[in-house]
Amino acid sequence: AQKVTQAQTEISVVEKEDVTLDCVYETRDTTYYLFWYKQPPSGELVFLIRRNSFDEQNEISGRYSWNFQKSTSSFNFTITASQVVDSAVYFCALSEQYNFNKFYFGSGTKLNVKP
Amino acid sequence: SAVISQKPSRDICQRGTSLTIQCQVDSQVTMMFWYRQQPGQSLTLIATANQGSEATYESGFVIDKFPISRPNLTFSTLTVSNMSPEDSSIYLCSVALAGTRNEQFFGPGTRLTVL
Repeated sequence: AQKVTQAQTEISVVEKEDVTLDCVYETRDTTYYLFWYKQPPSGELVFLIRRNSFDEQNEISGRYSWNFQKSTSSFNFTITASQVVDSAVYFCALSEQYNFNKFYFGSGTKLNVKP
Repeated sequence: SAVISQKPSRDICQRGTSLTIQCQVDSQVTMMFWYRQQPGQSLTLIATANQGSEATYESGFVIDKFPISRPNLTFSTLTVSNMSPEDSSIYLCSVALAGTRNEQFFGPGTRLTVL
C-alpha cells in the first residue's frame, strides 16, 4: 500500500494566488516523521520542513505554512501569495520509528505558477 | 545543512556499459543514501551506504547491479552496471547529519541517459 499519497499530480495557479498541496500518509507507528521537499527544475531537492508525530502544532515560515492533522493523517502545505519562483515539484515524505532513515516519498505535485 | 556535490552532473551512456557516480560531502556525516528518480516519478531508495562495510540494499536492488562504496565519512560512489535504457534516471545522493533529527539533505543529482 502507498504510504504517502499526493493526489494532486499538477496544479496551475496565477501569481499571488494561494495554493494548498495535499499529503495523506499511512502508518501504524505511533512515532513517525513527515517532511516536505521542493524540487525546482534544476533537479536538486530542497528540504522545507520536518514534523514529528507528537507535534501537531501548525507551522508558518514566511509565505509557507503547514497543517498537520493526525485525525485525518494529513500534512498539507500552503503557499500564500504564490510567486513564479515557487514553480517546482513538491514531495511529501514519511519516515517511521523502526527505521527512521528510510524515507517513503509521495509521487509529488508539480506546481506551475504563472505570471 | 551540508554542501553535497555529485559527479558527473549528467551523462549519456551506451547500453551495456557502467557508470560510477561520486558523492562528496563537505563534512563528516553519519548516514549516506542513494536514491533513484525515474523520469516523472518519485524517489526510491536504492541503498544505505555504510562506511567500512557492505551497503544495505532495499528490495528490488542488488549489489551486482548497483555496487556502492563508502571508504570514509565524506565520500561514496554508486555504480550503475551493465546499463540498459530502463536505467535512465536521476540518481541522488543524500546525507543525514548527526543531531539533525533524521533530516536528509540531497545532492544535486546525476542525470543519466542510456541509449
